[in-house]
Amino acid sequence: DAKTTQPPSMDCAEGRAANLPCNHSTISGNEYVYWYRQIHSQGPQYIIHGLKNNETNEMASLIITEDRKSSTLILPHATLRDTAVYYCIVPPGGYNKLIFGAGTRLAVHP
Amino acid sequence: NAGVTQTPKFRILKIGQSMTLQCTQDMNHNYMYWYRQDPGMGLKLIYYSVGAGITDKGEVPNGYNVSRSTTEDFPLRLELAAPSQTSVYFCASSYKRGEETQYFGPGTRLLVL
Repeated sequence: DAKTTQPPSMDCAEGRAANLPCNHSTISGNEYVYWYRQIHSQGPQYIIHGLKNNETNEMASLIITEDRKSSTLILPHATLRDTAVYYCIVPPGGYNKLIFGAGTRLAVHP
Repeated sequence: NAGVTQTPKFRILKIGQSMTLQCTQDMNHNYMYWYRQDPGMGLKLIYYSVGAGITDKGEVPNGYNVSRSTTEDFPLRLELAAPSQTSVYFCASSYKRGEETQYFGPGTRLLVL
């Protein structure tokens, strides 16, 4: 199973881009990278996922390195409501199993 | 769509009591999951189901039971509550295998005293 490594915490100024890194050096060729976030006390929320190409949706962008050993989640214009714990997850094979680590606690400040 | 709903929102149990946490989804998803989250920790998978009548254990199944008689419902049963089961419980669902986009409910906060 591919394990992920994320910094425990990060800060970002409101309106600036938040770049959250994730290392997944043991990822297999057919394993996706998923990002979820959890705002205080709420259920986790899906953000974005990708395999090898960069992806963008209305919430964020995902940049995956060419060797797929790391990725970066980008929130282009962070707001106070983006303060949350962000989880980078590489699900192992099988029935959609998400394994949540400690994640990165992002604090967006005015 | 209401998405994934959970009841109750909060419950206090005495040691040895039993209860059922309810989870319902209206998205016609085949896959459903139960997670628990202890304070300051990530989520851990308790049980999951790939369709009506099919369930399997996750990382931390001891002390829990599940059933899946319909596509919509996936209740979690605690038979003999213990203080170690004090946690926040999240139910989730997803559409199909290979698409790990899971939709989570708001959670049930359980306190066992």
